[in-house]
Amino acid sequence: AQSVAQPEDQVNVAEGNPLTVKCTYSVSGNPYLFWYVQYPNRGLQFLLKYITGDNLVKGSYGFEAEFNKSQTSFHLKKPSALVSDSALYFCAVRDSNTGGFKTIFGAGTRLFVKA
Amino acid sequence: EAGVVQSPRYKIIEKKQPVAFWCNPISGHNTLYWYLQNLGQGPELLIRYENEEAVDDSQLPKDRFSAERLKGVDSTLKIQPAELGDSAVYLCASSHSGTGGAETQYFGPGTRLLVL
Repeated sequence: AQSVAQPEDQVNVAEGNPLTVKCTYSVSGNPYLFWYVQYPNRGLQFLLKYITGDNLVKGSYGFEAEFNKSQTSFHLKKPSALVSDSALYFCAVRDSNTGGFKTIFGAGTRLFVKA
Repeated sequence: EAGVVQSPRYKIIEKKQPVAFWCNPISGHNTLYWYLQNLGQGPELLIRYENEEAVDDSQLPKDRFSAERLKGVDSTLKIQPAELGDSAVYLCASSHSGTGGAETQYFGPGTRLLVL
């Protein structure tokens, strides 16, 4: 069965510093991996996805993520954090072996960027 | 382009009462999803539609929950009767269909339900 883990409930970083939000996954086939961000009282907003090809994926608002097959990870990164990046971040996975139709979301990581 | 629209945004009801949520997906999106999001957790799929057909409703508690998408566009999710444990955010999402899982889902703002 497919699963996804976000090992940190909260990540704290100072503005201007690089940030990393961790995600690991488990699937039987090839993974389709997604990152979403959620601001208070809002729905999830798509940031980026990995389907195939280049392991480094660039997305919205300067975010990027690196797919690492050997470590089954898809960590979200940004070179320089902004206070406005403070939000709840969700990693999600789909398993190509199941037709890729069921999305499993992680529990979320709250990012707090301090000015 | 308009995003996914949901109404109401907030709903407070007493237990045992019925409640309904409405979703209008992005124009042209054949696939529609209803998710449940409990506080501090990620969304969990309740039901997925391809056009008007419910193709995955395995996680929908069918004793009290029902959904419909009669014309393959907008959709309604109903709970009858509501229980205290149903308090959560109900999210609707939509996507293009047919790329085997690679398609991006776009989410609405959600309906926050409080059952008293």
